[in-house]
Amino acid sequence: AAGVIQSPRHLIKEKRETATLKCYPIPRHDTVYWYQQGPGQDPQFLISFYEKMQSDKGSIPDRFSAQQFSDYHSELNMSSLELGDSALYFCASGTGTSGTDTQYFGPGTRLTVL
Amino acid sequence: AQKITQTQPGMFVQEKEAVTLDCTYDTSDPSYGLFWYKQPSSGEMIFLIYQGSYDQQNATEGRYSLNFQKARKSANLVISASQLGDSAMYFCAMREGAETSYDKVIFGPGTSLSVIP
Repeated sequence: AAGVIQSPRHLIKEKRETATLKCYPIPRHDTVYWYQQGPGQDPQFLISFYEKMQSDKGSIPDRFSAQQFSDYHSELNMSSLELGDSALYFCASGTGTSGTDTQYFGPGTRLTVL
Repeated sequence: AQKITQTQPGMFVQEKEAVTLDCTYDTSDPSYGLFWYKQPSSGEMIFLIYQGSYDQQNATEGRYSLNFQKARKSANLVISASQLGDSAMYFCAMREGAETSYDKVIFGPGTSLSVIP
């Protein structure tokens, strides 16, 4: 079965640089979620999109922005990178926004900021 | 306040034995979903099992079963016949229903499981 695709899988950037992470949801999934997992921590919700509109926002810094495109893929743009942004970034997709819908996670993008 | 509590930071289990990973949750929403995810050392987050708040029966998926005790707000994961490949971090997670922001999944702190040959 098709899974969530994330690219790149690994990314190394310098402080103050910009990074763009991409997410391709499972076919026919209309909802995309972004999570950030710091070292030794549980994933923290950043932002989500349903039918190309932002549906919820968590602890996402103002330096980050995201959008969902007409083909349902999503991009997370991160500017003025800081050392503390080094983390594993997950994208998840689902088919709706009720509490009973399962979110399927991609393999993650490991971002290292030097 | 912590919404998801996993009181076992680390656990060991002998290969082929069963193990229970504890999870308690806190919500005032009558509609919610409970999930367990597995995260191996490679980093990916693998969905294991789901239990809805209105489900009458405990969820099962192969060697995984969820011991759902609604009144106690507990959703323990039971892994039967442990295998070496089960060694990983296990996260309990919850997604609340219509009364609150219902998009995000809230994760617990995780339990690190090590299977001993």
